[in-house]
Amino acid sequence: KAGVTQTPRYLIKTRGQQVTLSCSPISGHRSVSWYQQTPGQGLQFLFEYFSETQRNKGNFPGRFSGRQFSNSRSEMNVSTLELGDSALYLCASSPGAGGTDTQYFGPGTRLTVL
Amino acid sequence: GENVEQHPSTLSVQEGDSAVIKCTYSDSASNYFPWYKQELGKGPQLIIDIRSNVGEKKDQRIAVTLNKTAKHFSLHITETQPEDSAVYFCAARDSSASKIIFGSGTRLSIRP
Repeated sequence: KAGVTQTPRYLIKTRGQQVTLSCSPISGHRSVSWYQQTPGQGLQFLFEYFSETQRNKGNFPGRFSGRQFSNSRSEMNVSTLELGDSALYLCASSPGAGGTDTQYFGPGTRLTVL
Repeated sequence: GENVEQHPSTLSVQEGDSAVIKCTYSDSASNYFPWYKQELGKGPQLIIDIRSNVGEKKDQRIAVTLNKTAKHFSLHITETQPEDSAVYFCAARDSSASKIIFGSGTRLSIRP
């Protein structure tokens, strides 16, 4: 089975722009979670989608949003980019929405905001 | 909400020796505890996980122990090899919440 794929792998944007990142989960997985990883804050949960519905959201401003499509693929969007948004954005998929389901991570999208 | 603390932040061991990384969690409802390994330029990779109905789980050179009473769990790597060098993250998740809360990570270096 193919793993979680994320596109693009690298992205450079300037302050004030917006960006859309894409995640394709493992085939058959219906849950997708997004995380932000920075050296200072570590791995922080952004949100999770299951069957096109947002199930949970982390403590991030409304500039961060996401959605999930009927084929379980997910996108996250960051509007009005700030320098502090520079990070590795990771997507993880799991089979269902159960609390003990294993999450499998993609390679991430490295976003640099100039 | 859940809080996960991880120690040490860096760990250097001689090749062939054992490495131990410890984590504590705050939410007694947490019942799933995965460990991830992250190599440079890659996403975290699940190496082992444990659910609250067991106290220990082993997979070749890697083992995890869980003490629910004390709310702590540990990763043990025996006979360390150079390819074990990476950053390791512990995490905790409860059955009602969707999100996994990660520890701050341990950078493990294996000295030849």
